[in-house]
Amino acid sequence: DAKTTQPPSMDCAEGRAANLPCNHSTISGNEYVYWYRQIHSQGPQYIIHGLKNNETNEMASLIITEDRKSSTLILPHATLRDTAVYYCIVRVDDSNYQLIWGAGTKLIIKP
Amino acid sequence: DAMVIQNPRYQVTQFGKPVTLSCSQTLNHNVMYWYQQKSSQAPKLLFHYYDKDFNNEADTPDNFQSRRPNTSFCFLDIRSPGLGDAAMYLCATSREGHTQETQYFGPGTRLLVL
Repeated sequence: DAKTTQPPSMDCAEGRAANLPCNHSTISGNEYVYWYRQIHSQGPQYIIHGLKNNETNEMASLIITEDRKSSTLILPHATLRDTAVYYCIVRVDDSNYQLIWGAGTKLIIKP
Repeated sequence: DAMVIQNPRYQVTQFGKPVTLSCSQTLNHNVMYWYQQKSSQAPKLLFHYYDKDFNNEADTPDNFQSRRPNTSFCFLDIRSPGLGDAAMYLCATSREGHTQETQYFGPGTRLLVL
């Protein structure tokens, strides 16, 4: 079963920051939060991941609450090409290396 | 650029006719995965290889098999495709056994069963 909960869809204006929330209230102490996105008819693309500290890379920022029960992915300046399904994923820390996928958020960037 | 390649992008087969999907990678990753993704759903892991060790998910039907002849190539065999097997099949790779290691996905093969 999925360990994350995300809103099914969101809109964001082009050029504005897109903030995508994710709840993972049952996350364990050694489980990482990963974000992937999937543009229509393409394979998923890694965005960012974190354990408990906030993370930033060239694509996005990840803000994880202190209790680790939720996180927010921030795309600072959304473009039309950021329209995609965004998956918040808990990475199970065992030998199976599984990604436990949630249902994802369909993010639509509007001009 | 190093990448994960899946061919063909679209595959049409007939009900009950065996079909093989292929995946290759230039990343030299030792873990390779096969996912099934149905319309408007998240990817579902079917199985993965850690080097030559095959790891099947408990709920993967016996109809699905896999082969990994070497580090670079991995195949998904569907012995008797049913209409319910029509889906996007995604191949992914990752580096050995690091918890934080990301998975790199190919573009997928969309399978249509007639």
